[in-house]
Amino acid sequence: DAGVTQSPTHLIKTRGQQVTLRCSPISGHKSVSWYQQVLGQGPQFIFQYYEKEERGRGNFPDRFSARQFPNYSSELNVNALLLGDSALYLCASSLSPYEQYFGPGTRLTVT
Amino acid sequence: AQSVTQPDIHITVSEGASLELRCNYSYGATPYLFWYVQSPGQGLQLLLKYFSGDTLVQGIKGFEAEFKRSQSSFNLRKPSVHWSDAAEYFCAVGGDKLSFGAGTTVTVRA
Repeated sequence: DAGVTQSPTHLIKTRGQQVTLRCSPISGHKSVSWYQQVLGQGPQFIFQYYEKEERGRGNFPDRFSARQFPNYSSELNVNALLLGDSALYLCASSLSPYEQYFGPGTRLTVT
Repeated sequence: AQSVTQPDIHITVSEGASLELRCNYSYGATPYLFWYVQSPGQGLQLLLKYFSGDTLVQGIKGFEAEFKRSQSSFNLRKPSVHWSDAAEYFCAVGGDKLSFGAGTTVTVRA
């Protein structure tokens, strides 16, 4: 079975721009979570969606938003990019509430 | 609030030697605990998990972890490391929302 897929793999943006990251969960998984991993740190929780509803939000500014589609795929949007938004963005999907499987991530560089 | 502390930033171990990575957690109720491994440039792979029951849990790649409630610990062990075990290891606690430690980098020397 295919795992969690994310696109794009890498991207470079300029400060002030907007970016959209995409995630496709494992088939049958209805929950998707997003995490930010800054270099040298552990992942930080951003959002969780289940059945297209937001179930949780981490301590991130309103510049960060997300949504989940009827096919359970998800998008993470970040507006007004800052240098500090440079990170690996990880998507995880889960079938049961407490077992998350991660994708390979999208490496975002903000210059 | 839930949190995880991984006291060791970097561990170097010889191939064939044993490995133990420490993890201490803070959680308000019965914790759900996880260990993940991350190779350079890769996502996270789930090694093992603890929800309840037997406090010694077995995972993939020959890893095991022991849950000790009295010490708020969930240490990861492997009896004999292979060069391919060189990676970064993260301990995590939580349910829907995972809180991760800062990670421990493992270097394996020949």
